[in-house]
Parts: sequence; C-alpha cells; structure tokens
Amino acid sequence: GENVEQHPSTLSVQEGDSAVIKCTYSDSASNYFPWYKQELGKRPQLIIDIRSNVGEKKDQRIAVTLNKTAKHFSLHITETQPEDSAVYFCAASRGSWGKLQFGAGTQVVVTP
Amino acid sequence: NAGVTQTPKFQVLKTGQSMTLQCAQDMNHEYMSWYRQDPGMGLRLIHYSVGAGITDQGEVPNGYNVSRSTTEDFPLRLLSAAPSQTSVYFCASSLQTSGTDTQYFGPGTRLTVL
Repeated sequence: GENVEQHPSTLSVQEGDSAVIKCTYSDSASNYFPWYKQELGKRPQLIIDIRSNVGEKKDQRIAVTLNKTAKHFSLHITETQPEDSAVYFCAASRGSWGKLQFGAGTQVVVTP
Repeated sequence: NAGVTQTPKFQVLKTGQSMTLQCAQDMNHEYMSWYRQDPGMGLRLIHYSVGAGITDQGEVPNGYNVSRSTTEDFPLRLLSAAPSQTSVYFCASSLQTSGTDTQYFGPGTRLTVL
C-alpha cells in the first residue's frame, strides 16, 4: 500500500519568513495530493490540493509543488503569520475508494 | 448545513466496555470514513463506506465495527475497549467516492480507555 513520509516533524519560523514542508510517497499510481491544516483542538481542514497533471498550484500565500518522477510534493507558506501556527498534514491517494494515506504531520510554530 | 457532526465529544471507558461513536452528515455525501489520530502518527483510516450498505476496512480495522444503513449516518462501534484504543477519532465525508475530492472532517471524539 501507499506510504507517505513527511518532514520535518517540527518547524519553527520567524514571522514573515517562509516555511517549507516536504512529503514523499511510495505508490507511483497516486494522483491526488491534498494538504490539511489542524489548529490545536480543532478538526483538520483542507487548505490546498494538487493533482498529478499539475506541477504547481498557488493560493495567496500558500503553494504546493509536485515532482511525480521523484515522488515528492511540498507545501510552501510565504510571509508567515502567527495564525499559520498549526499542524500540517500531507496525504496521497490513487483515487481508489477515497482512501487517503496521511503523513505523520508537521508542527509549525510562527514566532513574532 | 451542520456539515459533519460527531457525538460524544469526550468519553471515558473501562477496559472491556463497548460503545458507539456517532457520525452524521447532512451534505448528501456518498463517502464516509473513520480515522484515529495518535501523536506522531497522523491520521489512520479505520473503516470507510462508499454508500449505504457498503463498507470496507482501512489500515487499522481491528477492534472496530461499522455499518451504513443510511447515507447520512456512519456509526463506529468499539466491541471491547482496550487501552490501545485511547485516541482522538475523526469522522470524515466527501461528495464523491473517487478519493480525489475534499474530505470534510467532524469535530472529533476524544476517547480514553482505562
């Protein structure tokens, strides 16, 4: 089955700097790669996703890049703000019966 | 729309007890799933359903049962609770069963098994 590895497990950045989280996946048939943000005590919520026919996608201060050859994808957050502090999860799916394989998560702390 | 709802929010059980975690959605979503979240391990799929009457196992199904008698409801049953089942449980739903659209999560149930 699919295996998703996520790095780093914790990331501390100064407000205004950029944050990058990287994930690798094992199943070459995976074609959907979402990112979820989970604030403390809250539910995970989708922030951005990318499909295998696209190499990069942006939404304001966040962007995701995908390298299918190397089987890795990354989340980029620019101009970080305190409200970006949360746990971020990457996931991958090959589109079969809605099964998502999640990474272990990255705790992002943005310090003023 | 209320979205995805879960009850209870918190639960404490003794080893060997059974209970049902409730999950409901009012978005007419075909796909529903249960995850457990443990520190450092992300979200792991327990069971999922692609429609009423259809369920299947995920990554960590042992000790749990599910059924889907209606589109709206997807309860998770713990048959005989064990301390290893102490976790936060999330129910999620999505419109399609393709695995390539947004999953909406419920608020979670924090379960402690003593």
